Amino acid sequence: QMQLQESGPGLVKPSQTLSLTCTVSGGSITSGGYYWSWLRQHPGKGLEWIGFISYSGSTHYNPSLKSRVTISLDTSQNQFSLKLTSVTAADTVVYYCARGVYHMLSGYYIDYWGQGTLVTVSS
Amino acid sequence: SYELTQAPSVSVSPGQTARITCSGDALPKQYAHWYQQKPGQAPVLVIYKDTERPSGIPQRFSGSSSGTTLTLTISGVQTEDEADYYCQSADSSGTYWVFGGGTKLTVL
Repeated sequence: QMQLQESGPGLVKPSQTLSLTCTVSGGSITSGGYYWSWLRQHPGKGLEWIGFISYSGSTHYNPSLKSRVTISLDTSQNQFSLKLTSVTAADTVVYYCARGVYHMLSGYYIDYWGQGTLVTVSS
Repeated sequence: SYELTQAPSVSVSPGQTARITCSGDALPKQYAHWYQQKPGQAPVLVIYKDTERPSGIPQRFSGSSSGTTLTLTISGVQTEDEADYYCQSADSSGTYWVFGGGTKLTVL
């Protein structure tokens, strides 16, 4: 059974870099056809796609966040990571890691989600 | 930027049919998907590729698409279906993905 688990600091200071890691179990992140994704959700509000990295390492980011986001793979640990620079209070949200499926015949959708982790930006 | 529009809330009685819609200009060109999210939990995929139901999702959940409107139909709604429902799709060029604002389904 595929499982994803986010980890990282729950508190980050303004202007610093938010770093989160997602540990994947029940499957390999190098399996073809999957796109390892980060999303976020303001408490009580809607979802926002941050970006993804493919099994081969190619990345794609939300244009609104692209200048601040880096997603990377660590195949030795079966993990992938998110870095978001220059954070502000507006980045205080729940962050989800997830497995995306992407194919021209189906579009892109998420079939497995982590439980989510709240990151607070505050001094 | 591209947007998907959903009504904020829908209310139905148990056993009735709930219809939740999502509208977007690119929906005729891009597949869309639906997620169910209960309080304090991660979303769960209930419909993908407009009309397909993942394994384990009850048959009462179905999806349809017509022009710029996507519809999630829940037939014979049960109290356990009370949740927020989000549609998700891509912009017309397929370069980034967005979610609708969500619809809160209340089962009275």
